[in-house]
Amino acid sequence: SQTIHQWPATLVQPVGSPLSLECTVEGTSNPNLYWYRQAAGRGLQLLFYSVGIGQISSEVPQNLSASRPQDRQFILSSKKLLLSDSGFYLCAWSRGPNTGELFFGEGSRLTVL
Amino acid sequence: DAKTTQPTSMDCAEGRAANLPCNHSTISGNEYVYWYRQIHSQGPQYIIHGLKNNETNEMASLIITEDRKSSTLILPHATLRDTAVYYCIASPFDKIIFGKGTRLHILP
Repeated sequence: SQTIHQWPATLVQPVGSPLSLECTVEGTSNPNLYWYRQAAGRGLQLLFYSVGIGQISSEVPQNLSASRPQDRQFILSSKKLLLSDSGFYLCAWSRGPNTGELFFGEGSRLTVL
Repeated sequence: DAKTTQPTSMDCAEGRAANLPCNHSTISGNEYVYWYRQIHSQGPQYIIHGLKNNETNEMASLIITEDRKSSTLILPHATLRDTAVYYCIASPFDKIIFGKGTRLHILP
């Protein structure tokens, strides 16, 4: 069966510090991978999605970047965090291409102070 | 992606059918209608999706109007565990963009 893991689950970081959130999927190959963010009291915002290794699409200009170094690994990074980067970050996968059912990880809660 | 419009919140009595409406009047031919729900502090959970025909699975039924400009998600026998934010999305396969959703309260 397929599983998705995200870590760390919670993170408290000072403004200006770097960030690295990692997501891995097991039990499938060539998945579509996604990073979403949910700020407090707000909806889910699509940040990045990837249909293959090294292929990253960014949905909104921001202080974050994503990389896909391996087929089932998706990393969200920042060189210098802003207060507005606080939120609940969710990684998801789908059986790409041409499937719309997303499977979400447990999420990583980031607080920037 | 087509914009969707949903009520901000709805109430439903436990044991009754919950009918959640969604308008997607600008939906294009290659866009599917998806429904997800999010229980507090968890990731969204896929419920159902469809293109033209009505769909049913173990969780819910999806009724899409003939002109595809609106749809209704039906939870046939709502329980307290169905309390969540329900998202209706009109999108092609590869990019699922969530709106604000409907906060459904199931009342005991």
